Amino acid sequence: AQKVTQAQTEISVVEKEDVTLDCVYETRDTTYYLFWYKQPPSGELVFLIRRNSFDEQNEISGRYSWNFQKSTSSFNFTITASQVVDSAVYFCALSVLNNAGNMLTFGGGTRLMVKP
Amino acid sequence: KAGVTQTPRYLIKTRGQQVTLSCSPISGHRSVSWYQQTPGQGLQFLFEYFSETQRNKGNFPGRFSGRQFSNSRSEMNVSTLELGDSALYLCASSYNSGANVLTFGAGSRLTVL
Repeated sequence: AQKVTQAQTEISVVEKEDVTLDCVYETRDTTYYLFWYKQPPSGELVFLIRRNSFDEQNEISGRYSWNFQKSTSSFNFTITASQVVDSAVYFCALSVLNNAGNMLTFGGGTRLMVKP
Repeated sequence: KAGVTQTPRYLIKTRGQQVTLSCSPISGHRSVSWYQQTPGQGLQFLFEYFSETQRNKGNFPGRFSGRQFSNSRSEMNVSTLELGDSALYLCASSYNSGANVLTFGAGSRLTVL
């Protein structure tokens, strides 16, 4: 069985601060994918990034960066110079490639509040 | 390009009733997945349909069922509603099945009284 843990349920920062959202996962499968989704107040989950288990390169996209470390089973997400528009709930998720189709196992989510 | 469309967006039912939710995927997408989101249990996988066949099913009772039509549109049905079924039901689509990136709809918010 798969499990994703986001220990931080809520984070509050002031605009322009950097913030890191933690994600720890568990799986016995060797081939898997990790995702981050953002859920703004409108409710729709918005895809941010997907990484496969064989690609541990960190990735940067604008103000967003991701740090994938298999040794600690972590896939952390950092927002640099946060903005009010970053306020949302962020979900980390895991999908394995063992006949499970597109099934995602989600973490509990981290609610990020960015104050002006 | 139209996104994933879910109807209705909001609905209120009473215990014991049944409900049908609809999902129209992005044109060309063959996989449709359903998730239930509640404050207590978070986001939980219900089932996935791919080319009209159920690909996978989450740990939900048989009251929860779904189907997919030849045009890839999908419906999910919940019979004998319980208070605990109150939730946001999210539909997501992708072209293929297998750890794909999912595009989510805005959800159908069900309240059971």
